[in-house]
Amino acid sequence: QVQLVESGGGVVQPGRSLRLSCAASGFTFRTFAMHWVRQGPGKGLEWVAVISYDGINKYYADSVRGRFTISRDNSNSTLFLQMNSLRAEDAAVYYCARIYGGNYKGYFDFWGQGSLVTVSS
Amino acid sequence: EIVMTQSPDTLSVSPGERATLSCRASQSVSSNLAWYQQKPGQAPRLLIYGASTRATGIPARFSGSGSETEFTLTISSLQPEDFAVYYCQQYNTWPQLFGQGTRLEIK
Repeated sequence: QVQLVESGGGVVQPGRSLRLSCAASGFTFRTFAMHWVRQGPGKGLEWVAVISYDGINKYYADSVRGRFTISRDNSNSTLFLQMNSLRAEDAAVYYCARIYGGNYKGYFDFWGQGSLVTVSS
Repeated sequence: EIVMTQSPDTLSVSPGERATLSCRASQSVSSNLAWYQQKPGQAPRLLIYGASTRATGIPARFSGSGSETEFTLTISSLQPEDFAVYYCQQYNTWPQLFGQGTRLEIK
């Protein structure tokens, strides 16, 4: 069965960095584009970034562009999100998610359980 | 970008009754719309895609309808486990944004 397991969250000071990971299993990871979606405390869902199946193409939300970097390791079926220059407004639960069929665009059929990032001095 | 607006923000309904949730797109998204259910402390779960197709394992009491800019999620007879937050998401045009959510609470 499809599983997405995030890790790497924690408490970080404003301006510092954090790297999230998402370990995938149960499907052919290297054939799927993968996304990060976040949810601030008490807020709705916000799409953050997507990476193509081969890691070549990457797109970001305006709110994180230039600060966050999405990447992947297909040999280990793992997705990453490098978050630099963190701000208070980046505090959220970060979900990795896949789109049905593996494209950039579509509906999310599987989600991880989320990784909590707290930004506080 | 296409803005998705859900209404109401909060809906109070008694168990066993029908709930109707709305989602409006600022421009046409054809039938490229999905609905998700999210319970506290859990990840969202896909309910409906293609505006009206139930995802695998979703009970028949959940139904979706609509096209272009107006969409509805109906839960025909609310069960205790249905009280949650529901989000719509368009995937017709990049970026594929979510609505702000409707909280379905027990009346």
